[in-house]
Amino acid sequence: GAGVSQSPSNKVTEKGKDVELRCDPISGHTALYWYRQSLGQGLEFLIYFQGNSAPDKSGLPSDRFSAERTGGSVSTLTIQRTQQEDSAVYLCASSATGTYHYEQYFGPGTRLTVT
Amino acid sequence: GNSVTQMEGPVTLSEEAFLTINCTYTATGYPSLFWYVQYPGEGLQLLLKATKADDKGSNKGFEATYRKETTSFHLEKGSVQVSDSAVYFCALSDPAGANSKLTFGKGITLSVRP
Repeated sequence: GAGVSQSPSNKVTEKGKDVELRCDPISGHTALYWYRQSLGQGLEFLIYFQGNSAPDKSGLPSDRFSAERTGGSVSTLTIQRTQQEDSAVYLCASSATGTYHYEQYFGPGTRLTVT
Repeated sequence: GNSVTQMEGPVTLSEEAFLTINCTYTATGYPSLFWYVQYPGEGLQLLLKATKADDKGSNKGFEATYRKETTSFHLEKGSVQVSDSAVYFCALSDPAGANSKLTFGKGITLSVRP
């Protein structure tokens, strides 16, 4: 079946612009995660959605970052007023449940470059 | 807080060599442990996992044993192939945490030469 998809695959933007990154999780998966992969920081957790519960935003690095998940499926990560330090690969993952021992399935990522 | 420490890389081996990649962890609770792999040009995928002490995860000839006494989850393979060249990440998910997020090590790049 279809895996996790993300769009765009690459995004180049100017400093100060807003960007939106999209994630389509595996159908039926209730848990959705966003991570960021950068050279300096490795893989960092950003935000977690589980069903209709309020998201866990504890990993978001600043208030310029926000995310939503519509209808328990597609998620959008928005970065406002982008900065050069936001340049990274943004990864989305989904899991059948939010149980801690379940496998997370990752998308191919969106490579964001802020110039 | 939770953390995962992996040995420094990169690692370069000849084909058929023995591989060990060290991983140790710190966690509040009793975590599940994972090895994820990222092949060139591909996304992260689960290689193996273990959910309780003394469990051994295995896949594609790779093995790792959950050692609670040493808080370790070292990855081993008896005979590596060129196709094993990739970046390997050790990770944990802590049931005592606020959610089931993964905490990753920094990753290690493995290159296998023919």
